[in-house]
Amino acid sequence: EPEVTQTPSHQVTQMGQEVILRCVPISNHLYFYWYRQILGQKVEFLVSFYNNEISEKSEIFDDQFSVERPDGSNFTLKIRSTKLEDSAMYFCATRTSGRAYNEQFFGPGTRLTVL
Amino acid sequence: AQSVTQLDSHVSVSEGTPVLLRCNYSSSYSPSLFWYVQHPNKGLQLLLKYTSAATLVKGINGFEAEFKKSETSFHLTKPSAHMSDAAEYFCVVSVWNSGYALNFGKGTSLLVTP
Repeated sequence: EPEVTQTPSHQVTQMGQEVILRCVPISNHLYFYWYRQILGQKVEFLVSFYNNEISEKSEIFDDQFSVERPDGSNFTLKIRSTKLEDSAMYFCATRTSGRAYNEQFFGPGTRLTVL
Repeated sequence: AQSVTQLDSHVSVSEGTPVLLRCNYSSSYSPSLFWYVQHPNKGLQLLLKYTSAATLVKGINGFEAEFKKSETSFHLTKPSAHMSDAAEYFCVVSVWNSGYALNFGKGTSLLVTP
């Protein structure tokens, strides 16, 4: 069964450093999402991406964040200058085109720790 | 705007007894509703989804949920809890005008005791 994969599974970085989180979507999926879950809190939407551009973003997704699909397969989330409060689990999710009830398939997540 | 409220942050049941996890939603548009489960140190797995085809939705592992528009509720139930059901459960709403982004509830932690 096809699945969404994410690398790395864990990332430890120093405050102010840049990090890139990677996701490989399911091959026929066209909509891509990033979510984050700070420890003990609910899962929060960051950004959605379709047709090589951002379609929606939340207030969390400020200028420190960016997304791209550099090679047509990977879907990346970049944080330019990490802050302590960026420590969280980051989930990638992908979806086929079509109706709203098409489920989003989630990757296993990347745990980011900013020291 | 759309949102979900999970009425219980923690639920504890004995193995073999029924499970009820409560969720109320708010949406200006016709919502799509989901329940996701997250086992410790694991990713998110879809349990079931409401697609407007039927108000009673059956999911995996014996879970089901009933969409009640009049009560704006989408409660999750299971007739008999198993130890393996212990996990965090999220009620989720998705609306077309948000790019189909998922809006998660705060989660309900289900504890199953022997």
